[in-house]
Amino acid sequence: EVQLVESGGGLVQPGGSLRLSCAASGFTFSNYWMHWVRQAPGKGLVWVSRIKSDGSSTSYADSVKGRFTISRDNAKSTLYLQMNSLRAEDTAVYYCYGPELDYWGQGTLVTVSS
Amino acid sequence: DVVMTQSPLSLSVTPGQPASISCKPSQSLLHSDGKTYLYWFLQKPGQPPHLLIYEVSNRFSGVPDKFSGSGSGTDFTLKISRVEAEDVGVYFCMQSIQLPWTFGQGTEVEIK
Repeated sequence: EVQLVESGGGLVQPGGSLRLSCAASGFTFSNYWMHWVRQAPGKGLVWVSRIKSDGSSTSYADSVKGRFTISRDNAKSTLYLQMNSLRAEDTAVYYCYGPELDYWGQGTLVTVSS
Repeated sequence: DVVMTQSPLSLSVTPGQPASISCKPSQSLLHSDGKTYLYWFLQKPGQPPHLLIYEVSNRFSGVPDKFSGSGSGTDFTLKISRVEAEDVGVYFCMQSIQLPWTFGQGTEVEIK
């Protein structure tokens, strides 16, 4: 059974940092591009970042460029999102997403508030 | 960025009746490879989204044939032939022809 399990969300003050993880199982993680997509409470879906299967290429939404870093450890079948200089507008549920086979995690909530 | 404009934003449907959702991108989603990178997702309450339709009109694995997608250029439509209670949720279109991938605002479908 395919599973994507996010962790690392929580409450953080503006300007703070968090590292999200997404543990994958049930498929050959190293074969697939992986993405992060976020959804603010009661709002729509927003693409955040993506990383190539071997980690050699990354892309970011303008709103997070320079503050967020996507990475992966294929030996551990884990996707990461390092989030620095967090702002109130980063508050959202963060989903890891494997589009080639439509794999989605259940999401982890990040709340940026003082 | 490609702006994806959905309409309507909400829809109340009698069970057994059809429903239709429009998605209009701000530019063509036709790639030089001949594919059109337009997708439809359903997000049920409390769940992540899941894919219904890929590349305009192809049903994803396990998606019932009551769902159909059509369109071209900058005008796309998702149709549900007979809405049932299990179809309640928010429907999103998405483009992946260029970064950043962008989603429509979502169409909330409820049962009358």
